[in-house]
Amino acid sequence: AQRVTQPEKLLSVFKGAPVELKCNYSYSGSPELFWYVQYSRQRLQLLLRHISRESIKGFTADLNKGETSFHLKKPFAQEEDSAMYYCALRGGFGNEKLTFGTGTRLTIIP
Amino acid sequence: GAVVSQHPSWVICKSGTSVKIECRSLDFQATTMFWYRQFPKQSLMLMATSNEGSKATYEQGVEKDKFLINHASLTLSTLTVTSAHPEDSSFYICSAPGNELNYGYTFGSGTRLTVV
Repeated sequence: AQRVTQPEKLLSVFKGAPVELKCNYSYSGSPELFWYVQYSRQRLQLLLRHISRESIKGFTADLNKGETSFHLKKPFAQEEDSAMYYCALRGGFGNEKLTFGTGTRLTIIP
Repeated sequence: GAVVSQHPSWVICKSGTSVKIECRSLDFQATTMFWYRQFPKQSLMLMATSNEGSKATYEQGVEKDKFLINHASLTLSTLTVTSAHPEDSSFYICSAPGNELNYGYTFGSGTRLTVV
């Protein structure tokens, strides 16, 4: 079974401070991990995926297989980062189903 | 990029009536479409997976006869909530895998269903 856990429902951070959104997963094989973001009144959109090892809008996430984590980080928060963030997992080849965490609402305090 | 168009954005219907939600892939062919349900302040829960030309696969606990899914073409998948009741009120979202290997999924804008 696939499971994604985001322990923080709400997270408030001052502008300019570092941000870390936690994500832990459970999956028996080699998963693909994603972070999706949903800004106010907008559709869910891909932020980044572990396989590409990219940095989007200053955010990075490293897959730690030992800790089964995929935490999202940004060194300096910006007001426009306020949004709902979802961590998601997809099983290996042939399993396209995405399993979402419960989401973390990030609020950046000016 | 891959775009999924979802309609309607919101709908209010009376108890006992049926509501159809459409999702179209605009610039790519979606052989698979995922249908999610999202309650307020909760995560997206996968309801079913539709595959073009074959029967949908429903998640455990989802009533097949209540949530009818049709994926008749490579660009259109529909979800029909039959005999809707107030407890069916929710936010429904469709999603399709992107058109490149390992590309992220693209999501529709969602449909807010309110059953009165």
